[in-house]
This record gives sequence, structure tokens and C-alpha cells, in this order.
Amino acid sequence: EPEVTQTPSHQVTQMGQEVILRCVPISNHLYFYWYRQILGQKVEFLVSFYNNEISEKSEIFDDQFSVERPDGSNFTLKIRSTKLEDSAMYFCASSEGANANTEAFFGQGTRLTVV
Amino acid sequence: QKEVEQDPGPLSVPEGAIVSLNCTYSNSAFQYFMWYRQYSRKGPELLMYTYSSGNKEDGRFTAQVDKSSKYISLFIRDSQPSDSATYLCAMKAGANNLFFGTGTRLTVIP
Repeated sequence: EPEVTQTPSHQVTQMGQEVILRCVPISNHLYFYWYRQILGQKVEFLVSFYNNEISEKSEIFDDQFSVERPDGSNFTLKIRSTKLEDSAMYFCASSEGANANTEAFFGQGTRLTVV
Repeated sequence: QKEVEQDPGPLSVPEGAIVSLNCTYSNSAFQYFMWYRQYSRKGPELLMYTYSSGNKEDGRFTAQVDKSSKYISLFIRDSQPSDSATYLCAMKAGANNLFFGTGTRLTVIP
């Protein structure tokens, strides 16, 4: 069964360092998303991406964040200068379309710990 | 952000019990309602999807939406230990991003 894969499963980084979280969406999917979940809090939307550009982003997704699809398979989230409060689980998701009844499939997440 | 409210639990029930999980929301624009199941160290997995008000049944699972009360429920009949997980409600207005509840941690005791 096709699945969204994320690497690494756990990343520890020092405050101020740049991190890149990687995702391989399901191959025939066209829409990609990043969500995050701070420990004990809700899963929160960060950004959606289609046709090589951001289609929607939340207030959380400020200038420290960027997304890229560097090749035909990977979808990355970069945090330029990490802060302690960026520590969270980051989930990548993908869907075939952006229709309201289209299911988004989630990866198993990358746990980011900023120390 | 209090658009979606969900009791975080934890909730413990004996095997075979009927489980009721609930969420309330404030945004009347939400029209698509979902329940995700999340096992430890895994991503959310879609369980049930409902459009607008009404009921939807899938095996042991029933999802209910009451838009007039801004209240959604998930019922699990004949609960099994394998149902032990965190259950997240999520909703959206049109083709927009998902708004999640905090999740309810459920443990089904054999």
C-alpha cells in the first residue's frame, strides 16, 4: 500500500541551526502539506503546496520556514534558524487533489527537538 | 485557537464496551468532518469522513454530525484492545486546511 514516508524519524538540533525535514509523498499525489504537533497540543496546519508553489499557509509559517520540491519525489520543510519552540512532531501529508472530499494521507512524522 | 474542542481524556473502557468520542466547534463554515486514529509514534490515519449533518456507519464505527449544535461524535461498538489509540477529530470548510481537535487517548482494557 502506498504511503507517505518521512525522514529522519527524530532530529535533534541546536537552537539557531538550520534543519531540513524530508518527505516522499505518494507518487501520484499532487498536493502536499506540512502540519506540526507540539507535545500535548493540537495538530496544526503549516502550509500546503501545489504545482511548485505555496497555495496556503498559516500564521505559524513565517519567514523562518520554507518548503521546496527539489526533485520529482521529495518535498522538504526547512527551518532556517531553529528556536526552542519549534520542538514538535512535524507531519507531511499528500493528497490526489485539493477537493474537499479528497483524503490526505499522513506520514509517521519527524520528531524535532531543539536544544 | 479554540475553533475545535475535544476532551483529551484519557478514556479507559473494558473490552466490548461502546465508546463515545465527541468534539464541538465554533466555525459554522465547517462542512467536512473527519475522525483520525493515531497510534503511538505514527501519523494520523483517516477513519471516518462525513459531509454536513447526518450519520455514517462503517463496521463498528459510527460518525455523527449535528451542525445545528456544532457537535460531532464517533461511536465505537464492541471495542477491542486494538482500538487503543488517540482519536483526533478534524474538520474543514471546503478545500482548505484541516483543523484538528487535541485528540482523545483511548485505552481498551482486555
